Amino acid sequence: AQKITQTQPGMFVQEKEAVTLDCTYDTSDQSYGLFWYKQPSSGEMIFLIYQGSYDEQNATEGRYSLNFQKARKSANLVISASQLGDSAMYFCAITGPRESGGYQKVTFGTGTKLQVIP
Amino acid sequence: DTEVTQTPKHLVMGMTNKKSLKCEQHMGHRAMYWYKQKAKKPPELMFVYSYEKLSINESVPSRFSPECPNSSLLNLHLHALQPEDSALYLCASSQDPSGSYEQYFGPGTRLTVT
Repeated sequence: AQKITQTQPGMFVQEKEAVTLDCTYDTSDQSYGLFWYKQPSSGEMIFLIYQGSYDEQNATEGRYSLNFQKARKSANLVISASQLGDSAMYFCAITGPRESGGYQKVTFGTGTKLQVIP
Repeated sequence: DTEVTQTPKHLVMGMTNKKSLKCEQHMGHRAMYWYKQKAKKPPELMFVYSYEKLSINESVPSRFSPECPNSSLLNLHLHALQPEDSALYLCASSQDPSGSYEQYFGPGTRLTVT
């Protein structure tokens, strides 16, 4: 079974600074995907970035980059130049083995609450 | 258009009521999902529809009944709920159910059962 661990329940970062949110995972699958989502207090989950297990390059999307270390089974999210609007809960997620209908279950971590300080 | 819409945004219902949550997407996505999220917890998968057919039911009580009338719409019918069912209900969609594509989430329905 897939497992995601986010060890930082809460983080603070100064505005304009960079911050790293940790995520480690456990899976026996060779093929899997890793996602990061942001959830502001309004409730909507917003997709940030995706890394496939066979991707050799670290994924980047604007100010977001994913530090993928396959051997260590870690997929940390790096946010550069933090903004006040980055204050939110951040979830790391991994796709699991294929189930009926071709579905790969997505397992979410417990989340990290990031607060950006002016 | 990368939007998933959900109605209503807030819902308060008694334990004997029947209500429905609605979700709509116009991205041509072939997989749609219902999640339940309690405060300060990650989303928990309830149902997966793949190509308009129910493919996953995560042992959800029968007082929750999903329906997929067409490829753009997903409903969740609620009946005889319990106070512990109070939560944020999130709908999501993805290009297909393979896990290779990100899920787009709606803003959620905050449900309170009294």
